[in-house]
Amino acid sequence: SQQGEEDPQALSIQEGENATMNCSYKTSINNLQWYRQNSGRGLVHLILIRSNEREKHSGRLRVTLDTSKKSSSLLITASRAADTASYFCATAASGGSYIPTFGRGTSLIVHP
Amino acid sequence: NAGVTQTPKFRVLKTGQSMTLLCAQDMNHEYMYWYRQDPGMGLRLIHYSVGEGTTAKGEVPDGYNVSRLKKQNFLLGLESAAPSQTSVYFCASSQDSHRQPQHFGDGTRLSIL
Repeated sequence: SQQGEEDPQALSIQEGENATMNCSYKTSINNLQWYRQNSGRGLVHLILIRSNEREKHSGRLRVTLDTSKKSSSLLITASRAADTASYFCATAASGGSYIPTFGRGTSLIVHP
Repeated sequence: NAGVTQTPKFRVLKTGQSMTLLCAQDMNHEYMYWYRQDPGMGLRLIHYSVGEGTTAKGEVPDGYNVSRLKKQNFLLGLESAAPSQTSVYFCASSQDSHRQPQHFGDGTRLSIL
């Protein structure tokens, strides 16, 4: 399947540090999206990056996309305890239905 | 503006019982989705709809049925619940394309005994 795979599975950092998580996928994509899920809640959309884009920013979030390596990274700068959550990438394969498929997620814990 | 609302939030069923999960969205979105989330498995698509009166199978449709009689509602039915269907179920919607961001409800936690 087109499912993206996040790496690492779990990440534990201190407040103020940067957090980087990666997503790798197998086939060409139309776009890639990042979502956050707080414990006991639904997913919340963070950023969408299209296949012809290389980098996007939103506040403290920076997403990069390298289509030659079939990978994306999500960087959270100056992390806060409130950033503690699971982060998922979702890939929409090109040339097909574009239905996004979700990875298994990275669990981020930010210690105060 | 509630967004996507799922009812109920929690439910416990016995094997063989049936139930319906309700998803309602107030954003006038065309596309709606049902997912299940299991530990270590991420989100898996059960069924989806691209408009009122339409439904289609996703990755794991067996044991589930859906209906989209009204644009704002997407119902997920379990005809004969099995323990393997114990999961957290999420509904989502997007405006009018699979390529657009999805808006999620807060889930229904379902246990089948």
